Amino acid sequence: DAGVTQSPTHLIKTRGQHVTLRCSPISGHKSVSWYQQVLGQGPQFIFQYYEKEERGRGNFPDRFSARQFPNYSSELNVNALLLGDSALYLCASSSDNSNQPQHFGDGTRLSIL
Amino acid sequence: RKEVEQDPGPFNVPEGATVAFNCTYSNSASQSFFWYRQDCRKEPKLLMSVYSSGNEDGRFTAQLNRASQYISLLIRDSKLSDSATYLCVVNFLTDSWGKLQFGAGTQVVVTP
Repeated sequence: DAGVTQSPTHLIKTRGQHVTLRCSPISGHKSVSWYQQVLGQGPQFIFQYYEKEERGRGNFPDRFSARQFPNYSSELNVNALLLGDSALYLCASSSDNSNQPQHFGDGTRLSIL
Repeated sequence: RKEVEQDPGPFNVPEGATVAFNCTYSNSASQSFFWYRQDCRKEPKLLMSVYSSGNEDGRFTAQLNRASQYISLLIRDSKLSDSATYLCVVNFLTDSWGKLQFGAGTQVVVTP
């Protein structure tokens, strides 16, 4: 079975641009979460979606938005990119039980120039 | 204070030795706990869940101390392939949905 898949794997943008990152969860998983990981830190929670609804939001500005589609895939959008947005963006999926562990995709490495 | 704190290390461990490290968490409402392993520039991978009574998975043993709000990971008979960053993850419920909080990781370097 395929794991969590993310695209693209790498992306280079300049300040002020916007970006869309994509994620497909493990088959049968209905919950998708997004994380940002900068070098030397653990992943920081951005959003959690379940059944197309936002269930949780981390401490990120409104430039960050996301959505989940009927097939449970998800997109993360970031507008007005800043140098500090350079990071590894991770998507994780889990079954609908809130205590189940999450499984991560390979991530999208975003570099802002 | 960070919600999940870990000693960043590195813990330099001779091959075959035992290494152990802890993680403390601040939210007493935390529901579930995990250890993830992350290799350099890779995604985190689930190593093991941590249960209240403690649990083993091969050479790895995890313990939970709710009273003192910490979890631990012990690695026996360390292998070179155990070199990685180990992330402590705490899940607490917010409006009935779990929110994962990650520590910054403990780096383990196993040497020949």
